[in-house]
Amino acid sequence: AQKITQTQPGMFVQEKEAVTLDCTYDTSDQSYGLFWYKQPSSGEMIFLIYQGSYDEQNATEGRYSLNFQKARKSANLVISASQLGDSAMYFCAMREAPSYNTDKLIFGTGTRLQVFP
Amino acid sequence: SQTIHQWPATLVQPVGSPLSLECTVEGTSNPNLYWYRQAAGRGLQLLFYSVGIGQISSEVPQNLSASRPQDRQFILSSKKLLLSDSGFYLCAWSGPSGANVLTFGAGSRLTVL
Repeated sequence: AQKITQTQPGMFVQEKEAVTLDCTYDTSDQSYGLFWYKQPSSGEMIFLIYQGSYDEQNATEGRYSLNFQKARKSANLVISASQLGDSAMYFCAMREAPSYNTDKLIFGTGTRLQVFP
Repeated sequence: SQTIHQWPATLVQPVGSPLSLECTVEGTSNPNLYWYRQAAGRGLQLLFYSVGIGQISSEVPQNLSASRPQDRQFILSSKKLLLSDSGFYLCAWSGPSGANVLTFGAGSRLTVL
């Protein structure tokens, strides 16, 4: 069965520093997609970054990058130059397979990131 | 541009009462629609998804049901709420062909007393 594991319930980082949020996944499929979402205290889920299993380059979106290590089945999120507004819950997710033309996602339990001045 | 709306944002209901949460999407047609639930301090669990009008797939057996009466409308219902139905309910949509990003609504927070 497919599974996403986030082992860090909480992380602290000082403003302007970089932080890595860990995510490991388990799947027997060759084709899959990995996502990171941010959930601020308001509750809305905000898409941050996507990595396809066949993408050879690590995905980047502004201050977000995804450290994709396929052999280790890890997809860690790196946030550079942290800002106070980055304080939120962060969820790693994987698109279920078979997808049958849907985008059903399996989510990890999340990591609460707190950025301090 | 596409937008997704959910209401009500907050709901407090007694045990045994009915429930109706509504979700609508604008700016797209034939979207795939999803209902997720997030228990306090937990990740998201997929409850239902729909690939078209009247087509509902249930992921977990429970006290809830879903309906899609129109192309861009998705409704989550219950006839009699249980305490365990409390949580944060998120509606989401994606394009019809798969391999898309899931876009979420702002969520509905349900407290069952």
